[in-house]
Amino acid sequence: EADIYQTPRYLVIGTGKKITLECSQTMGHDKMYWYQQDPGMELHLIHYSYGVNSTEKGDLSSESTVSRIRTEHFPLTLESARPSHTSQYLCASSEASGKRTYNEQFFGPGTRLTVL
Amino acid sequence: DQQVKQNSPSLSVQEGRISILNCDYTNSMFDYFLWYKKYPAEGPTFLISISSIKDKNEDGRFTVFLNKSAKHLSLHIVPSQPGDSAVYFCAAYNFNKFYFGSGTKLNVKP
Repeated sequence: EADIYQTPRYLVIGTGKKITLECSQTMGHDKMYWYQQDPGMELHLIHYSYGVNSTEKGDLSSESTVSRIRTEHFPLTLESARPSHTSQYLCASSEASGKRTYNEQFFGPGTRLTVL
Repeated sequence: DQQVKQNSPSLSVQEGRISILNCDYTNSMFDYFLWYKKYPAEGPTFLISISSIKDKNEDGRFTVFLNKSAKHLSLHIVPSQPGDSAVYFCAAYNFNKFYFGSGTKLNVKP
């Protein structure tokens, strides 16, 4: 069973606020990911990490930032939330793999963010 | 530029019958293709995958077929059960990244 957690599950916040979405996993996975998904749309990769002190931007441009100070923790921060940031944010993790092989991704339950 | 497409947003099937979910892709360099299942208020969970060098992979009631010449894959669920009702995402993998489709919502009617 996957042990990956996201908090908060739901967040409604006003424009201009700084927010941090938390993601933690207890599986010791090196690779972690953040996806953004709007209803009825595909998951878009916005950030990923190969391990501690490694972060990369994904294919979808995002105004958010991430950090990876500990293996188990991969928080996502929005310095100044805007209504365009309203979306669902999904965190995932997997064991390290080669570039052409994969290991199963385990997803957290997601954070539904609404910016008023 | 969407590299993985699921053109059917929803599908309704009678219990016991076959469910066929379709997915198209544009990048011939993908190494693996995967299907995920997602229930409301939960994250996606891995269901089944197939390597790009194969054309079929079966796991119980779930079979994935890959047609590389058509850049098309499909997921067959036989027999369909009400508990299979969920959103199914197709995904493709290469070079450390996963690319997802927009999902198909499957409703299996009792």
